[in-house]
Amino acid sequence: GDSVTQMEGPVTLSEEAFLTINCTYTATGYPSLFWYVQYPGEGLQLLLKATKADDKGSNKGFEATYRKETTSFHLEKGSVQVSDSAVYFCALLTGNQFYFGTGTSLTVIP
Amino acid sequence: NAGVTQTPKFRILKIGQSMTLQCTQDMNHNYMYWYRQDPGMGLKLIYYSVGAGITDKGEVPNGYNVSRSTTEDFPLRLELAAPSQTSVYFCASSLKGGGGTEAFFGQGTRLTVV
Repeated sequence: GDSVTQMEGPVTLSEEAFLTINCTYTATGYPSLFWYVQYPGEGLQLLLKATKADDKGSNKGFEATYRKETTSFHLEKGSVQVSDSAVYFCALLTGNQFYFGTGTSLTVIP
Repeated sequence: NAGVTQTPKFRILKIGQSMTLQCTQDMNHNYMYWYRQDPGMGLKLIYYSVGAGITDKGEVPNGYNVSRSTTEDFPLRLELAAPSQTSVYFCASSLKGGGGTEAFFGQGTRLTVV
C-alpha cells in the first residue's frame, strides 16, 4: 500500500547548521508530496509541497525536490535557526487520503 | 479566518464513558478527516468524509463513529472509551482530494482515558 518513511529523530543541530531530513515514499499512481511542521501544542501547518516529478517546493528557506526516480522528497535548509525547532512530517496525497510519516523532531541550539 | 476549530482542547474520560469531539471548518471544504497522533507513530487516519452525508473508514476506525450532516461539521464519537484511545486527535479539511490540495489542521484535542 501507499506509505511514507522518514528519517527517525530526534535531530539536534547548532544554529546556522545545514539540515537534511530524509523522506521516501511508496505509492501507486502520481501522488502529491508535502512537508508539514508542528510546533509544540499546535496542529500541523503546511511548510511546502510539490505536485509532480522534478517540482521543487520551497518556503521560509526550506526546500524539497520531488524525485520520482528515487521516490524521495528530502527536506533541506541551508542555515537553521532556533525558531525552526519543531516536528517535521513528510506526507503524500493520493486519491482521497493523506499518508504521513512518523515525524522527525528537530531541536536547534544557539 | 478561523479555519478548522476543534473542541475541547483537553479531556479526561473514565473507561466506558462516551464523548464527542467537535470539529468545524469555515472554508467551505468538501473533504474532512480525523486523525489520531500517538508518540512515534505519526498520524493515523480514523475516518474521512468527501462531502455532507458521505463518510468512510480510514486505517484505525474501530471504537469510533462519525457523521457529516453539514459541510462545516464533522464530529467524532467515542462510545465506550478505552485506555487505548488515549491520544491526540486532529481534525483536518481540504478543498478536494488529489491535485496537490493541502490539508488544514485544527489545534488538536488531547484525550486521556483512565
